[in-house]
Amino acid sequence: ETGVTQTPRHLVMGMTNKKSLKCEQHLGHNAMYWYKQSAKKPLELMFVYSLEERVENNSVPSRFSPECPNSSHLFLHLHTLQPEDSALYLCASSLNRWVRDGTEAFFGQGTRLTVV
Amino acid sequence: TQLLEQSPQFLSIQEGENLTVYCNSSSVFSSLQWYRQEPGEGPVLLVTVVTGGEVKKLKRLTFQFGDARKDSSLHITAAQPGDTGLYLCAGAIGGGADGLTFGKGTHLIIQP
Repeated sequence: ETGVTQTPRHLVMGMTNKKSLKCEQHLGHNAMYWYKQSAKKPLELMFVYSLEERVENNSVPSRFSPECPNSSHLFLHLHTLQPEDSALYLCASSLNRWVRDGTEAFFGQGTRLTVV
Repeated sequence: TQLLEQSPQFLSIQEGENLTVYCNSSSVFSSLQWYRQEPGEGPVLLVTVVTGGEVKKLKRLTFQFGDARKDSSLHITAAQPGDTGLYLCAGAIGGGADGLTFGKGTHLIIQP
């Protein structure tokens, strides 16, 4: 138990569906992240939020839409996804956004997404 | 081109053997972290190294950061089945960049 909780753990959705992934942390962290983990590829950073403000968007398609209503919650809204978007989506948090000093990132268990 | 290259990609050995996995890059990192990920779970931090040449030990695991801060190794002594998992190295480039850059990982299986 890392203190970062993601729901749902598994999700199957059609290409025309709209769904949302939820992430919650009560560690008092100020930065939250969405990562995508696909088979045979490194973890890809998708979005970074610091103090509820989006600070980075790594050229992610607009069919992925993040939302951070407060410092404890992070959502990833999904719509009109493609089968190649099937992956494990991981949420992480850290005390602050400056990971260059070795700040630890705490990961949730992930949501296994399958797009059919 | 991948920023962090991990090798080997897969490794299966017998319980009690020693092993070393590597994380290499042409870029300099301000810090480097090693995570272990078990099936159905998110990555969990094992160690952070920040100084070139630094060596850290965590029970049977020894982590080393290269002098030039471009590479790192993880050595496991007397491997046990509980060491099985995906080992990921992740680097922070610094200069204001956020988030971590991950390698593809080494899938390690320790057979009883």
